[in-house]
Amino acid sequence: DAKTTQPTSMDCAEGRAANLPCNHSTISGNEYVYWYRQIHSQGPQYIIHGLKNNETNEMASLIITEDRKSSTLILPHATLRDTAVYYCIVRVGGANSKLTFGKGITLSVRP
Amino acid sequence: DTAVSQTPKYLVTQMGNDKSIKCEQNLGHDTMYWYKQDSKKFLKIMFSYNNKELIINETVPNRFSPKSPDKAHLNLHINSLELGDSAVYFCASNRDPNSPLHFGNGTRLTVT
Repeated sequence: DAKTTQPTSMDCAEGRAANLPCNHSTISGNEYVYWYRQIHSQGPQYIIHGLKNNETNEMASLIITEDRKSSTLILPHATLRDTAVYYCIVRVGGANSKLTFGKGITLSVRP
Repeated sequence: DTAVSQTPKYLVTQMGNDKSIKCEQNLGHDTMYWYKQDSKKFLKIMFSYNNKELIINETVPNRFSPKSPDKAHLNLHINSLELGDSAVYFCASNRDPNSPLHFGNGTRLTVT
């Protein structure tokens, strides 16, 4: 599975959009981009995933560049409860494919 | 209503003991996993089972033995516990290997 690179941390004001970048320059054509987050002392939580097209759900939007070498997770109106570690992961599908978590980015939402 | 539940939440034990962590999911998923999160917060996959069959077995000491009595349960038994086994262990499940993972809230194991 391709590796990803994320900044170590970032902060955002409450109510503003949080844009979390991720680089995956070695991604291959059949690899999906997944985002999870882990709020302190809880299990990771799935947010969104995509292959080529931009995706949106009730939690966030995922913007994937045309060359698929990078993506951005957008939380449109960040709240204090969005403070967490966010993981960007790329993986190919299939029974033997593993979801491999990196260090993630720590998002701190300030009042 | 809990989707993926693990017991116990906390486990403190001495070196050399044998302990088990239980996991149950009520989502009807076919695939279940064990992940380990160490003190540096790295989350690593240990095992995955699909419909009671072992699919992924990472480089894990054979002191760790997963057991899946049915597809809703995946237990983790650890023999001869060592200090380095101290970590948070997460159980997870998904409908199929390509679907999003649902995680439990973890079991914090402390070996003294």
